[in-house]
Amino acid sequence: TQLLEQSPQFLSIQEGENLTVYCNSSSVFSSLQWYRQEPGEGPVLLVTVVTGGEVKKLKRLTFQFGDARKDSSLHITAAQPGDTGLYLCAGSGNAGGTSYGKLTFGQGTILTVHP
Amino acid sequence: DADVTQTPRNRITKTGKRIMLECSQTKGHDRMYWYRQDPGLGLRLIYYSFDVKDINKGEISDGYSVSRQAQAKFSLSLESAIPNQTALYFCATSDTRLLETQYFGPGTRLLVL
Repeated sequence: TQLLEQSPQFLSIQEGENLTVYCNSSSVFSSLQWYRQEPGEGPVLLVTVVTGGEVKKLKRLTFQFGDARKDSSLHITAAQPGDTGLYLCAGSGNAGGTSYGKLTFGQGTILTVHP
Repeated sequence: DADVTQTPRNRITKTGKRIMLECSQTKGHDRMYWYRQDPGLGLRLIYYSFDVKDINKGEISDGYSVSRQAQAKFSLSLESAIPNQTALYFCATSDTRLLETQYFGPGTRLLVL
């Protein structure tokens, strides 16, 4: 069974601060995704990383996939109240493996950005 | 209109009752999934289906059953609801050509008394 450990579980910061959320596993994933979920809605995809060492930027958000494809991080620069929400990482298994076509989710990080 | 819809959005039921949660999609995806979300546990997979004739158990399928009535419809049933099935339930769809990206419905909040 593939597991993803996400940390921290809760993060409460002031507007303008930087933050990093981590997603770690002992398993190798073929790709890793980050989702954001707002109250009353389903998760929405932010980014997918596929290559070990890959870095993707989405405005103030920077996503990195570890070299060994076992871990990932999400860094937010100058956080804003609109960034408030639940952030979830999810890993996809290797093609042909028992976890193919399924996502394994981390526990989530609840981010609150205070004005 | 939403691409993935779930009905009902909220449901209160009593222990022992049978209930069905429904999911419809207009994305044309062949894969559909049911998850439950509990605080601090993220999303856990209940059942998934890669096409109309394919049904697979996820990590927490006990107490649940599913039916894939058509490519666009995937329903989840609780045969005899119990209080620890109180949770937020999400349906999702995906297309393998899109790197496993899953598209989620708005969720059904279920309370079992």
